[in-house]
Amino acid sequence: DAKTTQPTSMDCAEGRAANLPCNHSTISGNEYVYWYRQIHSQGPQYIIHGLKNNETNEMASLIITEDRKSSTLILPHATLRDTAVYYCIAYPGGDYKLSFGAGTTVTVRA
Amino acid sequence: GAVVSQHPSRVICKSGTSVKIECRSLDFQATTMFWYRQFPKQSLMLMATSNEGSKATYEQGVEKDKFLINHASLTLSTLTVTSAHPEDSSFYICSASSSAASDTEAFFGQGTRLTVV
Repeated sequence: DAKTTQPTSMDCAEGRAANLPCNHSTISGNEYVYWYRQIHSQGPQYIIHGLKNNETNEMASLIITEDRKSSTLILPHATLRDTAVYYCIAYPGGDYKLSFGAGTTVTVRA
Repeated sequence: GAVVSQHPSRVICKSGTSVKIECRSLDFQATTMFWYRQFPKQSLMLMATSNEGSKATYEQGVEKDKFLINHASLTLSTLTVTSAHPEDSSFYICSASSSAASDTEAFFGQGTRLTVV
């Protein structure tokens, strides 16, 4: 998997948008950008993934730069339940091994 | 989305005993499952790849004789921690994908908190 770099932590206000950056400058052509999050003492939860186009689902939006070297996960209206560690991972998906970095600890404050 | 279930969610065992953790894909068949371990305040570390009908592939530094993995069916993989010691206390998590194809997300179990006393 290509190495990704994320800020260690960030705070955001409840009800506001949370923008989580990720750098993946060595991403390969067959690797997607996946985002997962892990709420305390639970297994990771899939959020969204994309290859080169921007993606949106009911949880979040993913903005990938044209050169694919970085991306931003957007939580449009953060709630207290969005407090978690967010992992940005570049990998092909499917049965490929998925390796986790340190992630970004996001704390949503009332 | 697809569901992966782990059992038990918590287990406490005595030092020297063995503990089995089950990982089931509830609504899809998984030829490949993965096992992770997570220590407090650390990220998930991949331990091994579990392949249905064949031997598991272990990551460097993971003792295959201590962490026995069996993937006897397309919906069940088990991890047995043999002769457990307090340093094996950790959060164990499994994952699986519903398709071997790329562009498919992995789904994770809820994790098993193992405490060895």
